[in-house]
Amino acid sequence: ETGVTQSPTHLIKTRGQQVTLRCSSQSGHNTVSWYQQALGQGPQFIFQYYREEENGRGNFPPRFSGLQFPNYSSELNVNALELDDSALYLCASSLDEGGVRTYEQYFGPGTRLTVT
Amino acid sequence: QKEVEQNSGPLSVPEGAIASLNCTYSDRGSQSFFWYRQYSGKSPELIMSIYSNGDKEDGRFTAQLNKASQYVSLLIRDSQPSDSATYLCAVNITSAEAGTALIFGKGTTLSVSS
Repeated sequence: ETGVTQSPTHLIKTRGQQVTLRCSSQSGHNTVSWYQQALGQGPQFIFQYYREEENGRGNFPPRFSGLQFPNYSSELNVNALELDDSALYLCASSLDEGGVRTYEQYFGPGTRLTVT
Repeated sequence: QKEVEQNSGPLSVPEGAIASLNCTYSDRGSQSFFWYRQYSGKSPELIMSIYSNGDKEDGRFTAQLNKASQYVSLLIRDSQPSDSATYLCAVNITSAEAGTALIFGKGTTLSVSS
């Protein structure tokens, strides 16, 4: 158990719709990263938040956006869903130890999104 | 484009044998390296992290790092059927765009036969 939870577990949406995925991590895990994992591929970095500010972004369009809240929860929003957005969406958190960021990331169970 | 390369496999070994998984990376500035295990339908689970050249052992797992060759490996001794999974190599990169991010390989599928 990593202490990272995600909701919902599964989701089916129609092309063009919008979706919000949620993640909750443990106290002290001030860094949260979101990844997209297509079938047969490794996770691809979407973006990262540290202390409620975005501090890094991968090669994803602006319709992928996020927020991080003071209570160690975060969300990933995807607008104008496309068929290729069908994937497993993972969030991962990292611990601050005495104010020093660590780089080990612990994943939640993921949300399986299907776009039809 | 920063990349992490792994042989996709499948790598098949008999029970009790040593499984050797390899990974190369392109970013010479990377300082942190990780191995994750992912069972089918599940999320990645961190099993090893390594930051310095050389070997790091944890139970049946040994991670090896050679920064000069930009090469990371994972050895699994006394392989068990429960080790059958996809093993993901991940490298931490730092850039103005990505901040600090993990870049993953596509994973190597390991099959341990009893």
